[in-house]
Amino acid sequence: EAGVAQSPRYKIIEKRQSVAFWCNPISGHATLYWYQQILGQGPKLLIQFQNNGVVDDSQLPKDRFSAERLKGVDSTLKIQPAKLEDSAVYLCASSLAWTASYEQYFGPGTRLTVT
Amino acid sequence: DAKTTQPNSMESNEEEPVHLPCNHSTISGTDYIHWYRQLPSQGPEYVIHGLTSNVNNRMASLAIAEDRKSSTLILHRATLRDAAVYYCILFSYGGATNKLIFGTGTLLAVQP
Repeated sequence: EAGVAQSPRYKIIEKRQSVAFWCNPISGHATLYWYQQILGQGPKLLIQFQNNGVVDDSQLPKDRFSAERLKGVDSTLKIQPAKLEDSAVYLCASSLAWTASYEQYFGPGTRLTVT
Repeated sequence: DAKTTQPNSMESNEEEPVHLPCNHSTISGTDYIHWYRQLPSQGPEYVIHGLTSNVNNRMASLAIAEDRKSSTLILHRATLRDAAVYYCILFSYGGATNKLIFGTGTLLAVQP
């Protein structure tokens, strides 16, 4: 079974530029998550989709971050404009369903450096 | 948010059992106890989860206290590949903890 795919793996941009990350979840997984992991901390949930609807985006900085999941499969996360504090690893995860009895599968992440 | 408390770091020797503790005194009846681990430069990896009874899988065992206020992740024979940060997380559907909230976890070092 193929895992969660993310691209790019690394990205370096200057502040005020824009950047986009792509995620392809495991086939058949209805729930998709985007996490931000700052160095030395645990991942923090940014947004959660159930199929192509947003379930939770309470921690997404909506003035600069946006995400979409068209057709309930792939997803993109965009930052515009980027700030220095956005330097982090952005992780995508998916699960079969949104219940506590299902585990989440994580991708390798995209490491973003904002200079 | 329901919180968990874990030691910042632990050490083990290769091929010995490892017991990673987690305290969750404010756990609610609908909270599952999830464990994930994160190897260096990788995304988190699911290890095991349980609700009330002890659980075993190919990776580890989860021992849950009778009052559910604490749990222990057991790696039966540690290998160098088990060196990682281990996160203990409470997760319930539709409740106050209806998402994975990662703390700083326990950094496990495995010595050869």
